Amino acid sequence: AQSVTQLGSHVSVSEGALVLLRCNYSSSVPPYLFWYVQYPNQGLQLLLKYTTGATLVKGINGFEAEFKKSETSFHLTKPSAHMSDAAEYFCAVLPSGNMLTFGGGTRLMVKP
Amino acid sequence: DGGITQSPKYLFRKEGQNVTLSCEQNLNHDAMYWYRQDPGQGLRLIYYSQIVNDFQKGDIAEGYSVSREKKESFPLTVTSAQKNPTAFYLCASSIGDRYYEQYFGPGTRLTVT
Repeated sequence: AQSVTQLGSHVSVSEGALVLLRCNYSSSVPPYLFWYVQYPNQGLQLLLKYTTGATLVKGINGFEAEFKKSETSFHLTKPSAHMSDAAEYFCAVLPSGNMLTFGGGTRLMVKP
Repeated sequence: DGGITQSPKYLFRKEGQNVTLSCEQNLNHDAMYWYRQDPGQGLRLIYYSQIVNDFQKGDIAEGYSVSREKKESFPLTVTSAQKNPTAFYLCASSIGDRYYEQYFGPGTRLTVT
């Protein structure tokens, strides 16, 4: 079965600092990979996705993620954090079936 | 505007009562999904439906039931058999063959006491 591990349930950064949210997956076959963002008491919004092709994927709000097959990772980064980035972030994979499997989520806090 | 509507946003029930959560979409999507979200556990799939009048159990279907009589509607009933019903419930939909690109509603927070 597929699994997704997000290291760190809470991450705190200062405004303007680098954001790095970690995601590792278990799969013998590279799946499709996704990052979603959830603001308080709201649904999830797709930030970016990797399906095929270029391994560095750019998403909305200045976020990007790089698929590294050798490390089975898909970490999310943003060069400079903004207060509005404070939210919960979910990594998800889509294996050979058609249902998404989500990680446990990482809550990002941005300090002024 | 196209989107997914979930109502109500907050719902309170007494233990032992069944409760139905509403999910409506006007995106003309074929597939719809129900997830449960608990702190630190991410989202877990309860039920999904790829077409009208058909649905499948997800990972945690016990204590829940659904129906899909119309393309735009996918209500979820939380029955009294669900042992821990208090949670945040999210509905999503997707175009028929693009199950990876799901659009989410704003969610319903259910509290059972």
